[in-house]
Amino acid sequence: GAVVSQHPSWVICKSGTSVKIECRSLDFQATTMFWYRQFPKQSLMLMATSNEGSKATYEQGVEKDKFLINHASLTLSTLTVTSAHPEDSSFYICSALIGTGDQPQHFGDGTRLSIL
Amino acid sequence: SQQGEEDPQALSIQEGENATMNCSYKTSINNLQWYRQNSGRGLVHLILIRSNEREKHSGRLRVTLDTSKKSSSLMITASRAADTASYFCATEEGGKLIFGQGTELSVKP
Repeated sequence: GAVVSQHPSWVICKSGTSVKIECRSLDFQATTMFWYRQFPKQSLMLMATSNEGSKATYEQGVEKDKFLINHASLTLSTLTVTSAHPEDSSFYICSALIGTGDQPQHFGDGTRLSIL
Repeated sequence: SQQGEEDPQALSIQEGENATMNCSYKTSINNLQWYRQNSGRGLVHLILIRSNEREKHSGRLRVTLDTSKKSSSLMITASRAADTASYFCATEEGGKLIFGQGTELSVKP
């Protein structure tokens, strides 16, 4: 089945550091990739929608300069949290979509980001 | 914004019992999807039900959709301890998924 690999799975770093998270579709080409943020015991909140070769579309309230998204190929999207601070600590999850229409999204295993 | 509201928020049952989770939504939909999330992991797609479908089965899972009431339910029959997870409904809106708050299911052996 469609596999999405997300790396790293866990990262701890100091405040002010920039952190890059990769999301790869391993056995398919993704028309669209999505980035979500999830706080403990809460639901997923969509941060941005990413299409290969074009600028990401950010949801209202998400700082595009803070959360840089690059979608360089049909199998790779990256999220960079720039100058991370403790309030950016969260669980970040990516997903990928094959084609259009009534299709499920395929999710990575998430990245737990802890900023000290 | 959160489209789906789920209840119950938490459900604890014994192995072998059936689990039913409900989801309500607000706007018109093309489809409604159910996902499962094990603690600290990503989401796994369970079932997609289209707006013109009323019921769908997959193994021990049964999903119903009532578009007149804007609600859906997910039933897990003969639950197992391995079914312990959070379950989310999601509706598609403009190509994006809008998730409900989720139901945390605990199945005790």
